[in-house]
Amino acid sequence: GAGVSQSPSNKVTEKGKDVELRCDPISGHTALYWYRQSLGQGLEFLIYFQGNSAPDKSGLPSDRFSAERTGGSVSTLTIQRTQQEDSAVYLCASSLSMAVIGVDNEQFFGPGTRLTVL
Amino acid sequence: GEDVEQSLFLSVREGDSSVINCTYTDSSSTYLYWYKQEPGAGLQLLTYIFSNMDMKQDQRLTVLLNKKDKHLSLRIADTQTGDSAIYFCAEKDGDKIIFGKGTRLHILP
Repeated sequence: GAGVSQSPSNKVTEKGKDVELRCDPISGHTALYWYRQSLGQGLEFLIYFQGNSAPDKSGLPSDRFSAERTGGSVSTLTIQRTQQEDSAVYLCASSLSMAVIGVDNEQFFGPGTRLTVL
Repeated sequence: GEDVEQSLFLSVREGDSSVINCTYTDSSSTYLYWYKQEPGAGLQLLTYIFSNMDMKQDQRLTVLLNKKDKHLSLRIADTQTGDSAIYFCAEKDGDKIIFGKGTRLHILP
């Protein structure tokens, strides 16, 4: 399909282990975003990438969280030494650009990865 | 920091109108959005409104913006069972979009 895809769809891990979550944005979209959706906490911005610019990491909750975007396409969100409070659905989104025009801002979301830390 | 607030739950009878309210804090927001999240799916953009508009209508959806009070609402006319979802209000904050916690719309038979 032509939408944003994420893998895995579900991940169960033990506390202290590292995990990698993958996002494949829509082809041609220059902007990519990671969000975390925790129960009762709503949607929390984590990080975004825009083209070749340095990513905005202002939303990352701790230095255990990092993300890369290789070749301006696929992105990986890595959580090191996972904690139980990291359990959440991690959503990825992409948009055509960061242009001012509202339509170009439209973010298309993937189905998310549900992370459970035991 | 910037904040977007909305009530967490709303129950509406099928056929009635649903009104989901949202308040935001950034008076310089240029765009405000409504996203819909159906169970097990990602968020989908429903509609957006530019900050110099008061109202936008799109079929069953009406968005009202009171910029003075920083209040945004989404009205869904003739609510159907397929409208059952979580609705997120969001504002454009520089290069980022800040989301509210979402309002879960429950449709009563």
